[in-house]
Formats: sequence, C-alpha cells, structure tokens
Amino acid sequence: AQKVTQAQTEISVVEKEDVTLDCVYETRDTTYYLFWYKQPPSGELVFLIRRNSFDEQNEISGRYSWNFQKSTSSFNFTITASQVVDSAVYFCALSVDYGGSQGNLIFGKGTKLSVKP
Amino acid sequence: AAGVIQSPRHLIKEKRETATLKCYPIPRHDTVYWYQQGPGQDPQFLISFYEKMQSDKGSIPDRFSAQQFSDYHSELNMSSLELGDSALYFCASSSKGAGGTEAFFGQGTRLTVV
Repeated sequence: AQKVTQAQTEISVVEKEDVTLDCVYETRDTTYYLFWYKQPPSGELVFLIRRNSFDEQNEISGRYSWNFQKSTSSFNFTITASQVVDSAVYFCALSVDYGGSQGNLIFGKGTKLSVKP
Repeated sequence: AAGVIQSPRHLIKEKRETATLKCYPIPRHDTVYWYQQGPGQDPQFLISFYEKMQSDKGSIPDRFSAQQFSDYHSELNMSSLELGDSALYFCASSSKGAGGTEAFFGQGTRLTVV
C-alpha cells in the first residue's frame, strides 16, 4: 500500500525566514511520481512540482527548492525568504505509474504554513 | 492557457436531494479524475475516466456515480445527499501521451448539504 506522511501539521514563520516542509512516502512500486501542490485560502489546488522515481536530481525554481532522497523515501520542500503570499496548505502526493496515468494521487494530510509580516 | 473548468462553483442542497457537478478538462487531456476534500482534510480520490471509460475507482460511495461524455467533459452525480457529503469536490485532468502529464485541478465545487 502507498502512504504519504507530512509530520508537520502547522508551521508559522516570520517573513523572510526559510522554511522546510517535510514529506515521507511509502510504496513498494519501483516506478512512481511525487508531487507538491499548494492550496491557498481561496481553495484551489495549484501544481508546484513533479518528480519521477528515477530522477533524484534536486530542483530549484526561484525561492522554491525540492530535495528528493530515495534512500530515506523523502521529498522535502524548502521555501527561501518566505513571503506572506506563501501562506497556504501544502500537500505532498504520490502516484504510482499506471501506464502514464498520474492523477490517481495519494495525498499527505498537508502542512499549513503561515507566514507573518 | 485553458484550465479545468468546474461548475457550479458553489451549490447548496438539502438532505436527500440530488446534485450534479460538471467538469470540463483541459483540451486534449484524455483522463479525468474526481476528488472529495472534507473540511480540514486532504483530497480523497473518488473515480477516474480514461477515454470515456472508467479507469480507476477509489472511495466513491454507492450513492455517487460519474461518467465521461464524448466531448470528454465529465459529470459527478450524487443522490440521497447526506450532511457528510458537504465538501469541496475537485475535478482534475491529465494526458497519458508522451509519458503522461501531471494532474491539473479545477477550482472546485463547494457543496453544502443542509
């Protein structure tokens, strides 16, 4: 069975601080995808990143960076110099590859990030 | 760029009524997914369709049914509504071609059952 654990339920930081959101996953499949989605207070789910199980390269996109480590089954997300607009619930998700279908997602419980001015 | 369109955005129904939620996927996306997100919860996968055929089934109650039409839009039908069905319902779409794409979500339909 697949499982995603986000141990941090809520995090509160002050603007300009760096913050790391943890994600640990479980699967016995060798081919899978990992995702991060952002859900701002308005409610929509915004795609941030996708990583497949064969690509452990870390990625940086502006103030966002992701650290994928298969050895520890972790896919952590760091926001550098956080801003108030980063306040949202962040979900880590896992999808096992079924012939290219990546939308059957198992979500973690989410981490609510509050960035205070 | 075109996104996933869901309608209505908000819906209020009474217990035991029926509701129909609609989803229009991103053009040329061949797969549609439905999710239910209760208050303070993570989204839960309900059901998916690939090329108009049901492809996977999650925790969808028997009172719910869904289908994908020839124009690829999908509808989620919910009958005998219960208070516990109050939730945010998301539709997402993706494409299986060229290794597949990630799922893009619509803005959701907020269903309130009173």
